[in-house]
Amino acid sequence: GAVVSQHPSRVICKSGTSVKIECRSLDFQATTMFWYRQFPKQSLMLMATSNEGSKATYEQGVEKDKFLINHASLTLSTLTVTSAHPEDSSFYICSALGPGETQYFGPGTRLLVL
Amino acid sequence: AQSVTQPDIHITVSEGASLELRCNYSYGATPYLFWYVQSPGQGLQLLLKYFSGDTLVQGIKGFEAEFKRSQSSFNLRKPSVHWSDAAEYFCAVGAVSGNKLVFGAGTILRVKS
Repeated sequence: GAVVSQHPSRVICKSGTSVKIECRSLDFQATTMFWYRQFPKQSLMLMATSNEGSKATYEQGVEKDKFLINHASLTLSTLTVTSAHPEDSSFYICSALGPGETQYFGPGTRLLVL
Repeated sequence: AQSVTQPDIHITVSEGASLELRCNYSYGATPYLFWYVQSPGQGLQLLLKYFSGDTLVQGIKGFEAEFKRSQSSFNLRKPSVHWSDAAEYFCAVGAVSGNKLVFGAGTILRVKS
């Protein structure tokens, strides 16, 4: 139980385009989901907290207009990287707050912006 | 502010040997503590967690961790390491259960045969 999926697992896009990443809780409902970014050989950095039916809460230094988060249902949150640039290339991981008040993580999305 | 320190960036152990990964945290109140494991290119899998109660917690895959308030530590242990345990391990602390976790830098475990 407590499975979280992400789609796509990998995406390559051209600079200036937008990319949407989906995060789904498959077997539980999650009012709260989280989006992290992980640079190579580094730890996870929380970008934002996504709450179903309300606006996301962004961490300091994260541009909310660049990283759009929508949590439209209890099982789906999306992260859209708008006007992506090469410096946005990274590994993006979502998590969902699930049973036992524990975060369950998705498998991650590798974004490469050319 | 919360913070987590994992002093060891890399650890190499022989298969079958015991393992201890260190984690020290900084937090004013009783923390919620987690250990996650990440294989290359993958997401994180929860190994175990501590919220309250017994300070020795058992997790999956034969791992355990002990919460020591006096030392602000939550070290992860396994009595006998298997080659499949090679991965990166993250300790995390939260102020409220499950919310806004702060992660340590991670420890990469290599297992030699």
